[in-house]
Amino acid sequence: AQKITQTQPGMFVQEKEAVTLDCTYDTSDPSYGLFWYKQPSSGEMIFLIYQGSYDQQNATEGRYSLNFQKARKSANLVISASQLGDSAMYFCAMREAISSGSARQLTFGSGTQLTVLP
Amino acid sequence: DGGITQSPKYLFRKEGQNVTLSCEQNLNHDAMYWYRQDPGQGLRLIYYSQIVNDFQKGDIAEGYSVSREKKESFPLTVTSAQKNPTAFYLCASRRAPTGLGNQPQHFGDGTRLSIL
Repeated sequence: AQKITQTQPGMFVQEKEAVTLDCTYDTSDPSYGLFWYKQPSSGEMIFLIYQGSYDQQNATEGRYSLNFQKARKSANLVISASQLGDSAMYFCAMREAISSGSARQLTFGSGTQLTVLP
Repeated sequence: DGGITQSPKYLFRKEGQNVTLSCEQNLNHDAMYWYRQDPGQGLRLIYYSQIVNDFQKGDIAEGYSVSREKKESFPLTVTSAQKNPTAFYLCASRRAPTGLGNQPQHFGDGTRLSIL
């Protein structure tokens, strides 16, 4: 079974509007962390935002916020006031306390390609 | 500026040839990782290292080898045993080798490997 599911291969949004990128996850670990990364066409992975499983409040970082619904196992990324430079691939990833072992590796979803239209 | 440097940016491999991808970091991070990315897909872990002179296999280690002789360096060798090596390879590092924490992995700019 997929541990991280991103159901939207591609999304379009008008400049200055908000957009939500979906991410659902599957884990039996009580302790885990969720990350969102942005990958522009140049290839580098840019860390955007983090949400811990025990965090009481949804994470926010500037124009990025995370809509964390623990019972539904979803961690959707919300980008407000979209800019042309937001066009990129976006990946949701999870780090599990137990299942990832000593590596503390990240498990990635397949990504969502966001295109911001002028 | 601190960061992760991967070289070369583009690499071509001939049949039966081993090639080595370089990854150097000056962030003083303990843990380092190698990921493979295929078109339209997420990242898959090849190898990781928590400390110098120690490394562990990830999910898709077959056909690859690594070394960690220095804290700053974690080169990846794609051997001739890797029959489908064409992919984008990303190196990452993280400050703390253990602990769940919120420390993200920091990534290099990647190396694109193609078969001639």
